[in-house]
Amino acid sequence: EIVLTQSPGTLSLSPGERATLSCRASQSVRSSHLAWYQQKPGQGPRLLIYGASSRATGIPDRFSGSGSGTDFTLTISRLEPEDFAVYYCQQYGSSPELTFGGGTKVEIK
Amino acid sequence: EVQLVESGGDLVQPGGSLRLSCAASGFTFSSYWMYWVRQAAGKGPVWVSRINSDGDGMTYADSVKGRFTISRDNAKNTLYLQMNSLRAEDTAVYYCAKGGDYGCVDYWGQGTLVTVSS
Repeated sequence: EIVLTQSPGTLSLSPGERATLSCRASQSVRSSHLAWYQQKPGQGPRLLIYGASSRATGIPDRFSGSGSGTDFTLTISRLEPEDFAVYYCQQYGSSPELTFGGGTKVEIK
Repeated sequence: EVQLVESGGDLVQPGGSLRLSCAASGFTFSSYWMYWVRQAAGKGPVWVSRINSDGDGMTYADSVKGRFTISRDNAKNTLYLQMNSLRAEDTAVYYCAKGGDYGCVDYWGQGTLVTVSS
């Protein structure tokens, strides 16, 4: 089973700053089947990035994903007030079907 | 617009049963794999089960295998999760989620809360 470790656990930043979130896999993620989600309190997660670097429909271009193999990064180029939330990485396509990281909370400094 | 609306969550005693439903709209339900994912308070999401588009192929997390059953009614655009022999550790918000064209989950519902406690 692939284990995903996200760091840092919490990121304290101000609006307008750049956020860099890390996701490390315990073994290579097949075909870069790595996604990123944003979750706000009381809501289901929202897909941001799939295939490690492709933005989902309607996602602003300040969100970008990169990486391959075991190391992946989500970058938010300039934080907007609505971007403060919890972010999860997820691998798909290997057994078990979906595996999630523990999350990174991006909070207002 | 894709909409997934879960229902059926409740407080249930250990050993009890519950059936969750998910009403889908805004897409061709019968064409997509569907998932159940749960999330305990303050924790990350955990995959529970998946069903293929025809409803004849299902997979389960080891933690629920033999206790939970996923099913779907493509005529009613509805996904189900039958949960039996419930345990305290099954307490969580349960999300219905749609499989995307590129392999991952692309839409999630708002979730329904299941609490297992005496």
